[in-house]
Amino acid sequence: TQLLEQSPQFLSIQEGENLTVYCNSSSVFSSLQWYRQEPGEGPVLLVTVVTGGEVKKLKRLTFQFGDARKDSSLHITAAQPGDTGLYLCAGSGGGADGLTFGKGTHLIIQP
Amino acid sequence: DAGVIQSPRHEVTEMGQEVTLRCKPISGHDYLFWYRQTMMRGLELLIYFNNNVPIDDSGMPEDRFSAKMPNASFSTLKIQPSEPRDSAVYFCASKKGTSVYTDTQYFGPGTRLTVL
Repeated sequence: TQLLEQSPQFLSIQEGENLTVYCNSSSVFSSLQWYRQEPGEGPVLLVTVVTGGEVKKLKRLTFQFGDARKDSSLHITAAQPGDTGLYLCAGSGGGADGLTFGKGTHLIIQP
Repeated sequence: DAGVIQSPRHEVTEMGQEVTLRCKPISGHDYLFWYRQTMMRGLELLIYFNNNVPIDDSGMPEDRFSAKMPNASFSTLKIQPSEPRDSAVYFCASKKGTSVYTDTQYFGPGTRLTVL
């Protein structure tokens, strides 16, 4: 069974600070995705990374896929209250497979 | 497009009762997924369909759980009999194909199930 460990589980920081959350596994994934989920809603895809070492930027968010495709990180620069939410990483074995999700990082950005 | 539609949004029932959750995927999507989310276990894949055919149901916890997809625009997840440990948020998601970059899984808003 492929497992994804996310850390930290909970993070509360002040507006303007930088932060990094991690997603680690002992298994290799064909691709890895990051989702953001708000209360009462389903997860929404932020980014997909496929190639080992790949880095993608989405405004103030930077996503990196590890060289061995077993881990990933999400870095947020100058966090804003609107970044508050549950951040989930999810791995795919490839193709049509369903996703294996980590338990998520609950992020709170205080004004 | 209205996105993935799930009903009901909230369900409260008593132990032993039958519960049916419903999902309408995005039109034109060939894949449909059912997930369950709890604080303890996070988001878990229960079963998924391709062109209305169940492909992998290894995540279905017990025989009390069953899922059907009678046509391309409708799926149900049934729990009979329900137990308190089934309390969770159940999500349905759909996607068009198998391309990693272009075929995003779109999630519905979920059904919050409480079994008393």
